[in-house]
Amino acid sequence: DGGITQSPKYLFRKEGQNVTLSCEQNLNHDAMYWYRQDPGQGLRLIYYSQIVNDFQKGDIAEGYSVSREKKESFPLTVTSAQKNPTAFYLCASSTSDKTGRYTFGSGTRLTVV
Amino acid sequence: SQQGEEDPQALSIQEGENATMNCSYKTSINNLQWYRQNSGRGLVHLILIRSNEREKHSGRLRVTLDTSKKSSSLLITASRAADTASYFCATDKNAGNMLTFGGGTRLMVKP
Repeated sequence: DGGITQSPKYLFRKEGQNVTLSCEQNLNHDAMYWYRQDPGQGLRLIYYSQIVNDFQKGDIAEGYSVSREKKESFPLTVTSAQKNPTAFYLCASSTSDKTGRYTFGSGTRLTVV
Repeated sequence: SQQGEEDPQALSIQEGENATMNCSYKTSINNLQWYRQNSGRGLVHLILIRSNEREKHSGRLRVTLDTSKKSSSLLITASRAADTASYFCATDKNAGNMLTFGGGTRLMVKP
């Protein structure tokens, strides 16, 4: 079955550490996205990529980095520069046409300990 | 900044009742979408309505779009306890297919 997989489901980070969240899709989608969701809140865009080897900052990119070396993969690194990283992180993908219908992963909950 | 804003923020109803959620947005759009999120999970696409459409149905879901008022509504008829979730509207901007999500409506359906 085609889908989008995020791992791990839960992640604990010590202060000052970098951590990388994985996002893999086998839907042959060109575009991929990372969103952050805080408790009881909506989604805020961190980074997006519309094609391999290209990505753009979203609304809250500071303290995060991404790469898009393969069509299937769009990992997100939460760096030590992100001062408040505890949140629920959602990865999504879509085709490059204008319908914009997203398929989401099941999320990674990151907690700073 | 959020393009879409849902209203109400929270809604509690009895099973069998209808649930109506509203979404307002600020700029011109190509389409508006509604998504559902169960607690601690990813979002699931429910329905998409294009800017030239006024109403769309999918099972127990009915979505309306009023581009003159920049608003949309999602109606869930004959609600079930399993409909308990958060519901988000999302809009694209004319320039591209990136979606901006609202803050969501938390729906609780009591059995």
